[in-house]
Amino acid sequence: SAVISQKPSRDICQRGTSLTIQCQVDSQVTMMFWYRQQPGQSLTLIATANQGSEATYESGFVIDKFPISRPNLTFSTLTVSNMSPEDSSIYLCSVDWGVYGYTFGSGTRLTVV
Amino acid sequence: SQELEQSPQSLIVQEGKNLTINCTSSKTLYGLYWYKQKYGEGLIFLMMLQKGGEEKSHEKITAKLDEKKQQSSLHITASQPSHAGIYLCGADNEGNKLVFGAGTILRVKS
Repeated sequence: SAVISQKPSRDICQRGTSLTIQCQVDSQVTMMFWYRQQPGQSLTLIATANQGSEATYESGFVIDKFPISRPNLTFSTLTVSNMSPEDSSIYLCSVDWGVYGYTFGSGTRLTVV
Repeated sequence: SQELEQSPQSLIVQEGKNLTINCTSSKTLYGLYWYKQKYGEGLIFLMMLQKGGEEKSHEKITAKLDEKKQQSSLHITASQPSHAGIYLCGADNEGNKLVFGAGTILRVKS
């Protein structure tokens, strides 16, 4: 199955700043997915990122707040912009690896103070 | 949209005991995934089920998808402290998107 390297693993940020999370996959994949997991809750899909096109955002998530880049088939970034304490969550990237299921990165634990 | 309900929400078992976690879908399941998550970390893929009646096992964990494809169960035999964590079921929704249940927190007492 695919191996995903996600970084940073955790960060503590000041409100009003931005953080960019990176995901590197060891194989080429068409779609990459970004999820948010708020404290004590399950995962919610933020957006789907295809190479060469704009990301598709789910209801409740907007590009200005969560800009995504997908410059090639093995890499994507998610930026959390103008952060507030409500953005404190675990952010995960994921790829569809067929019979091996959806593979997830190790997650970025973000705390906004 | 599809919703997944997991039960129980949390579970404390004595080491060596068996346990079952259930995942019930509001719609027919076309792909059901089980993941394990250590607190504050990423998700570890356990199993994927696609066919009604399908059953898969890995080490001491067995997952089943019922014939009607609206419910799945995850069974752990002779639980160990290493089994502790959060178990999440996920289902294929439209457009290659996964929806997740709320998760089941498992604690194993030594």
